[in-house]
Amino acid sequence: DGGITQSPKYLFRKEGQNVTLSCEQNLNHDAMYWYRQDPGQGLRLIYYSQIVNDFQKGDIAEGYSVSREKKESFPLTVTSAQKNPTAFYLCASRLTQNTEAFFGQGTRLTVV
Amino acid sequence: RKEVEQDPGPFNVPEGATVAFNCTYSNSASQSFFWYRQDCRKEPKLLMSVYSSGNEDGRFTAQLNRASQYISLLIRDSKLSDSATYLCVFSPYGGSQGNLIFGKGTKLSVKP
Repeated sequence: DGGITQSPKYLFRKEGQNVTLSCEQNLNHDAMYWYRQDPGQGLRLIYYSQIVNDFQKGDIAEGYSVSREKKESFPLTVTSAQKNPTAFYLCASRLTQNTEAFFGQGTRLTVV
Repeated sequence: RKEVEQDPGPFNVPEGATVAFNCTYSNSASQSFFWYRQDCRKEPKLLMSVYSSGNEDGRFTAQLNRASQYISLLIRDSKLSDSATYLCVFSPYGGSQGNLIFGKGTKLSVKP
């Protein structure tokens, strides 16, 4: 089945650690996105990529990094520079700028 | 004016009621519009795209008013399972969001 897969579903990070969230899609979509959602809040864009080997910062990129070496994969690294990383992270992809976005099931990151 | 504005609710309605949500947008060059549904602690899922002529899917009707720059979602004969947060999403030309702008959502609670 085609879709977009995020892993892990739950992730615990110690203070000062970097962690990487996985996002893989087999929909042949060019554009991929990472969003952060805090309780009771809307989605905030962290990074997006419209093509392989290219990505752009969103509104809250500080403390995060991404790579887009393959069309199917867009991993997000939450670095120790991100002071408040506890949140629900959502990855999305879309075929073109006129089409709907599809979301992964999300990763819930907690700092312990 | 904010890029997108939605009434956060909550809208508390009895089963069987008809309820409508609006979402206003500021970018007049916007070209694609969508309604998503998000259940608690889950990822957003596409409910329906919004077409210029308006469109219907079962109990759900979406409308676009370009002159007044808003989209609407009408839910007829509300079910308990309709309880969720409804996000309006639009895709403007250009912009810094990777061409995908999310509203913060309207919370709907359908009561027995």
